Amino acid sequence: GQNIDQPTEMTATEGAIVQINCTYQTSGFNGLFWYQQHAGEAPTFLSYNVLDGLEEKGRFSSFLSRSKGYSYLLLKELQMKDSASYLCAVRDKLTGGGNKLTFGTGTQLKVEL
Amino acid sequence: GAVVSQHPSWVICKSGTSVKIECRSLDFQATTMFWYRQFPKQSLMLMATSNEGSKATYEQGVEKDKFLINHASLTLSTLTVTSAHPEDSSFYICSARGTSGRGEQFFGPGTRLTVL
Repeated sequence: GQNIDQPTEMTATEGAIVQINCTYQTSGFNGLFWYQQHAGEAPTFLSYNVLDGLEEKGRFSSFLSRSKGYSYLLLKELQMKDSASYLCAVRDKLTGGGNKLTFGTGTQLKVEL
Repeated sequence: GAVVSQHPSWVICKSGTSVKIECRSLDFQATTMFWYRQFPKQSLMLMATSNEGSKATYEQGVEKDKFLINHASLTLSTLTVTSAHPEDSSFYICSARGTSGRGEQFFGPGTRLTVL
């Protein structure tokens, strides 16, 4: 995955819903991942999409449109602990075999009272 | 999910010394591990892909003689930063690919390296 774009920062209110968008350009798309990363910690896996559509997992949902090179992560019922950086990562199938995961720069989400 | 550990969690060293970072998959076997570097407020940048029993594949711009990677077993990969300099100060994170069909990567807790 190359040219992965996502907003740098977002702010939302506790209890609200927030949507974090990610657009990408790739030649060998083989899946899109969302990770959550708190400051000074390693990323933790949130969701995975390889086919078009919506994947729901509790308060988190992720959507993918391969034709548009677009994904979003939807967070419902926001909690203060959801304040973190959210990384969009695209996996490419390499011509020589294997896969490579490329990360976007991350969206820093701040949840306020 | 699978557990990946890293040791040490932080290290401070003098310029010119070498530092070894260990990455272990605790409850699964990882034929492939990945080493990333993350500078403040930036995303993870892949440094190299480590395959058990073979030489690592380095990304463009990453010096293989400076960042030595050894993947001697299915549960252990090490990264050695040789002759470290202040510009090598960063957050180093390893990950291992899971065994599910999704092939998601599980990340270690990271190692904060500070070179004085």
